[in-house]
Amino acid sequence: GAGVSQSPSNKVTEKGKDVELRCDPISGHTALYWYRQSLGQGLEFLIYFQGNSAPDKSGLPSDRFSAERTGGSVSTLTIQRTQQEDSAVYLCASSPTSNEKLFFGSGTQLSVL
Amino acid sequence: EDKVVQSPLSLVVHEGDTVTLNCSYEVTNFRSLLWYKQEKKAPTFLFMLTSSGIEKKSGRLSSILDKKELSSILNITATQTGDSAIYLCAVLAYNTDKLIFGTGTRLQVFP
Repeated sequence: GAGVSQSPSNKVTEKGKDVELRCDPISGHTALYWYRQSLGQGLEFLIYFQGNSAPDKSGLPSDRFSAERTGGSVSTLTIQRTQQEDSAVYLCASSPTSNEKLFFGSGTQLSVL
Repeated sequence: EDKVVQSPLSLVVHEGDTVTLNCSYEVTNFRSLLWYKQEKKAPTFLFMLTSSGIEKKSGRLSSILDKKELSSILNITATQTGDSAIYLCAVLAYNTDKLIFGTGTRLQVFP
């Protein structure tokens, strides 16, 4: 596609429910990142995929968070048993290789009630 | 722990003013510093700086890196209302592939 696509753009869920957020990176980009941005905060790194290498999961805040990237393209970020503190904008970004400027999607605004 | 600090946190100016945004970092094995503009949700790339003392320029925006002072500035001259946004600074290190972001500077430009 022309840019990084994320869906849904907005998600409202109840505390305790599981959610799945999707990211479709720019075609051909091997690096894919997930970041989280809470209100008034900077971007917090969550997880990074590069080609077929094992992902860097060092930023995942708890074991309720997981992500996968199928076929080196689309990625899904899953949050299990959501909590109110999970409310944030979840941003996905891709780049042609690592260590290059990132192209961001428009994010998913997650609200946990 | 690696960190990036931006100042000021917030800035309100009138159209035509010139602004300077600051970014300082403490990062092991520094590789590059990047500036992004975030108007709604998706940050858009502005500059990538790797060499100290070399100014990058794009229209009314310019940025320079000072590796000795571990900092960078982003200048915007003759500001316009369309410059209103959050400006994010991020740093990349050699030993990792993830950008470390600052909390950003919120710039509001009023007519």
